[in-house]
Amino acid sequence: GQQLNQSPQSMFIQEGEDVSMNCTSSSIFNTWLWYKQDPGEGPVLLIALYKAGELTSNGRLTAQFGITRKDSFLNISASIPSDVGIYFCAGQLPTSGTYKYIFGTGTRLKVLA
Amino acid sequence: GAGVSQSPSNKVTEKGKDVELRCDPISGHTALYWYRQSLGQGLEFLIYFQGNSAPDKSGLPSDRFSAERTGGSVSTLTIQRTQQEDSAVYLCASKLSGRSYEQYFGPGTRLTVT
Repeated sequence: GQQLNQSPQSMFIQEGEDVSMNCTSSSIFNTWLWYKQDPGEGPVLLIALYKAGELTSNGRLTAQFGITRKDSFLNISASIPSDVGIYFCAGQLPTSGTYKYIFGTGTRLKVLA
Repeated sequence: GAGVSQSPSNKVTEKGKDVELRCDPISGHTALYWYRQSLGQGLEFLIYFQGNSAPDKSGLPSDRFSAERTGGSVSTLTIQRTQQEDSAVYLCASKLSGRSYEQYFGPGTRLTVT
């Protein structure tokens, strides 16, 4: 099935560093969502973005909906060990109604203490 | 409160056998999804149920895959004549309604076909 291009695929960073990851698509999206998945768990929603140019924060996390509507990024500031996990972006196509999302392949984040 | 639960958490089966995976959504959630997550991949949409509407089955990879949702609550994903390429984590998610955005995921069922 269709998937979003998400990069980087994996990251090893030192505790306290900032992290940036992004998703790009050739298609326009109506909504962007960012999820985090811990080992053995299902994804948990971190941030939802609903309009082009929107910049939203959730604690140390900041995400933006690209103005072209074809990309989004997620930043994590001052990383801590519990930030370890897989981060997924998900986009909703305009033609898909309000329920179908396409997911990125994920960014695996490892934080070195 | 109770979240989305899935059972079994792990399933090992022989190639050619049928398997049933169960999802209990959050009470009151009318929308339910099944996704497949292969190793190192994102989530692949399989099927979507919303209330009494006909399900969107467009993501089911073959006719060996089917799903039911009885009474608007519990859902079962059935894979017949399993193949090794069916090995993956199968995730269920529910959300409050067709118009809400936040999906609540279960922990998944890890299926291994030997």
